[in-house]
Amino acid sequence: QKEVEQNSGPLSVPEGAIASLNCTYSDRGSQSFFWYRQYSGKSPELIMFIYSNGDKEDGRFTAQLNKASQYVSLLIRDSQPSDSATYLCAVDSNYQLIWGAGTKLIIKP
Amino acid sequence: DTEVTQTPKHLVMGMTNKKSLKCEQHMGHRAMYWYKQKAKKPPELMFVYSYEKLSINESVPSRFSPECPNSSLLNLHLHALQPEDSALYLCASSPGTGGSQPQHFGDGTRLSIL
Repeated sequence: QKEVEQNSGPLSVPEGAIASLNCTYSDRGSQSFFWYRQYSGKSPELIMFIYSNGDKEDGRFTAQLNKASQYVSLLIRDSQPSDSATYLCAVDSNYQLIWGAGTKLIIKP
Repeated sequence: DTEVTQTPKHLVMGMTNKKSLKCEQHMGHRAMYWYKQKAKKPPELMFVYSYEKLSINESVPSRFSPECPNSSLLNLHLHALQPEDSALYLCASSPGTGGSQPQHFGDGTRLSIL
């Protein structure tokens, strides 16, 4: 059974600081990695995806991928209260997406 | 604004009712998905349509019946549901299938079974 693991949190970060969210996966053959943000009662929103080792930056968000260690992380710079949400990591495995349980992030003003 | 539109946003139905959930996308995507999500859990895949053909059915009970009339539309027909079927039902689409393509979600239908 392929797995994706995330710390459920909550992760509490002061406003303006860097929030670091981590995800590990078990399928060494995975090639595609996605981060979704989900506000309470809303649907998941795609915020980043990464296919290659290294960093990918988009505004305040940076996705980092290390295939050798089988982890992917999401950094949020200059955290804002509006970043408070659950962040879901999803990894492709055997032609499907495997979802982590999500990390709840709280940005404290 | 989401480019995947789901209707209705909320649905309350009895266990003997028949209803349908609808999903529409205008991004030219060739794969569409139905997910079920319970509170504080990740989305759980139900069905995948690829080029209008059902490609994955994750052992979903027959009281859920999917339909893909064309490449832009996806329906989920509901009949004789149980209280444990109350959940957020999400539709998503992607350019292709295979897990490597980013999936874009609609706002979901909040379903409550009385």
